[in-house]
Amino acid sequence: EDQVTQSPEALRLQEGESSSLNCSYTVSGLRGLFWYRQDPGKGPEFLFTLYSAGEEKEKERLKATLTKKESFLHITAPKPEDSATYLCAVPPNSGGYQKVTFGTGTKLQVIP
Amino acid sequence: DSGVTQTPKHLITATGQRVTLRCSPRSGDLSVYWYQQSLDQGLQFLIQYYNGEERAKGNILERFSAQQFPDLHSELNLSSLELGDSALYFCASSVGGQDTEAFFGQGTRLTVV
Repeated sequence: EDQVTQSPEALRLQEGESSSLNCSYTVSGLRGLFWYRQDPGKGPEFLFTLYSAGEEKEKERLKATLTKKESFLHITAPKPEDSATYLCAVPPNSGGYQKVTFGTGTKLQVIP
Repeated sequence: DSGVTQTPKHLITATGQRVTLRCSPRSGDLSVYWYQQSLDQGLQFLIQYYNGEERAKGNILERFSAQQFPDLHSELNLSSLELGDSALYFCASSVGGQDTEAFFGQGTRLTVV
């Protein structure tokens, strides 16, 4: 069964203090890895898809990277508005009656 | 705005009742997914439809059912509601199967009293 583990569960940063969130996965034959941001009471917002080891994608202060076993979401000089829960997810390896596996998320709080 | 529309935004109902949640996917998306998120809990996958056919199923209760119509909108029916069914219910859509990124609606907050 596919497994996705995110760490840390919660992270508190001062504004401007860069850090990284980790998403480790156990899946045979990765078909992609998704990152989402979720604000309280809102639906997850899609951020990135990564498909192969070594791939990187950036959006404003966020950069996602992928290795063969894990993905990192780097946050550079975060602002209070970056406070949210960040989720990673992997699609099932093959067809059949399977589901996307979501991690439990990292709750990020950025303090002014 | 993700382009996925869910109605209603809020729903308050009594135990034992039945409700229907509606989802309109993004234009062109063929897959629709339903998720449940209880307070401070993770996303629990319920079911996926692709172009009208059931494609994947999670731990969806027998009291819950869903369908996707020819115009690709979807409905999630919840019956014999219990207090524990109170949660946020999200719909998401994607252009293809589960290896394509999904875009989520803003959810329906269901409160069972």
